[in-house]
Amino acid sequence: GAGVSQTPSNKVTEKGKYVELRCDPISGHTALYWYRQSLGQGPEFLIYFQGTGAADDSGLPNDRFFAVRPEGSVSTLKIQRTERGDSAVYLCASSNSRDTEAFFGQGTRLTVV
Amino acid sequence: QQQVKQSPQSLIVQKGGISIINCAYENTAFDYFPWYQQFPGKGPALLIAIRPDVSEKKEGRFTISFNKSAKQFSLHIMDSQPGDSATYFCAASKADKLIFGTGTRLQVFP
Repeated sequence: GAGVSQTPSNKVTEKGKYVELRCDPISGHTALYWYRQSLGQGPEFLIYFQGTGAADDSGLPNDRFFAVRPEGSVSTLKIQRTERGDSAVYLCASSNSRDTEAFFGQGTRLTVV
Repeated sequence: QQQVKQSPQSLIVQKGGISIINCAYENTAFDYFPWYQQFPGKGPALLIAIRPDVSEKKEGRFTISFNKSAKQFSLHIMDSQPGDSATYFCAASKADKLIFGTGTRLQVFP
């Protein structure tokens, strides 16, 4: 596609539920990143994939958060037992190598009620 | 600790004026310093970026000034326009993840 695509654009879920957020990177981009942006704050790094493997997952806040990229393209961020504090915009970005410009998607706004 | 401090939090500029946003970093290992522009409901978009081997980079109305010894860098927007009204984030990285500042909300009035 022309840009990074994230679905859904909005997700409202109840506390304790499981959610999956999807990211379609720019075709051919090997590097994929997930960030979380809380209201009025800058994006905060969660995880970085190079190909299929998670090269750096140091930003995942706890073991309720998990991300996969099984075929080196689409990635899914999974959040178990959601909490109200998980409410934020989840941004995905991709680049064609780790040292080049990262292009961001529009994000998924997650609201946990 | 890997932090990037950004100021001011908000900025109001008259059309045609100069907007200046400042950032400071701590980790001397950072080697890439981009500025992102974000409009409401959109993801951040790269505006301009610099590496520490140069002290200034200019692209159109946007200029980054970089002071390696002070560990500071700034964004200058010349001839600011109402269409520049957005939130601006500085960032720093070494190899992979970007560390973002807290953002500056710029409003340019006609």
